[in-house]
Amino acid sequence: DIQMTQSPSTLSASVGDRVTITCRASQSISSWLAWYQLKPGKAPKLLIYKASSLESGVPSRFSGSGSGTEFTLTISSLQPDDFATYYCQQYKNYPWTFGQGTKVEIK
Amino acid sequence: QVQLQESGPGLVKPSETLSLTCTVSGGSMSSYYWSWIRQPPGKGLEWIGYIYYSGTTNYNPPLRSRVTISVDTSKNQFSLKLSSVTAADTAVYYCVREEATRAFDIWGQGIMVTVSS
Repeated sequence: DIQMTQSPSTLSASVGDRVTITCRASQSISSWLAWYQLKPGKAPKLLIYKASSLESGVPSRFSGSGSGTEFTLTISSLQPDDFATYYCQQYKNYPWTFGQGTKVEIK
Repeated sequence: QVQLQESGPGLVKPSETLSLTCTVSGGSMSSYYWSWIRQPPGKGLEWIGYIYYSGTTNYNPPLRSRVTISVDTSKNQFSLKLSSVTAADTAVYYCVREEATRAFDIWGQGIMVTVSS
């Protein structure tokens, strides 16, 4: 299985901060990487697919980059609605696997 | 727009079979993969498996011997059965639409299932 490692596990930030989350794959996954936002009691939300493509309806402050084994999710200016847990996921090889998550907390 | 809703018992006894159904509204099941994903309390996400609208399935190997995913396109539903459950199967279970290039693009809200006697 392809192992996905996210860092950091927790991130404390303030409204307006630029936030970057890193995801590393244990082998090359080309650009087959997605990012999701999870909030308690709500349906998870796809943010980014194919490493850098913004899902329709997602604010442009979210962006993704990378290919191969190293990827980043950036929030250019953190908003109150962005405090949540973020997961990366590879869809290059079955079984699909996720990172362990990054919780973005209010500083 | 397409919406997914999980339904089923919130409490299952150890050794019994967990059964959940996902109802798809607002769109067709054709040409998509339909997955189940779970999240145990305090832990990360685990892909359980998918069924293609035509009936082809693919399961995560650690769960393969206990999992069955089925589809009823006439009712716009797909279902999960997980047999011989233990406390380790306690989790929020999500039903999810999977698109070939856009990964898991639509999720249900999730249903908490507790395995306990």
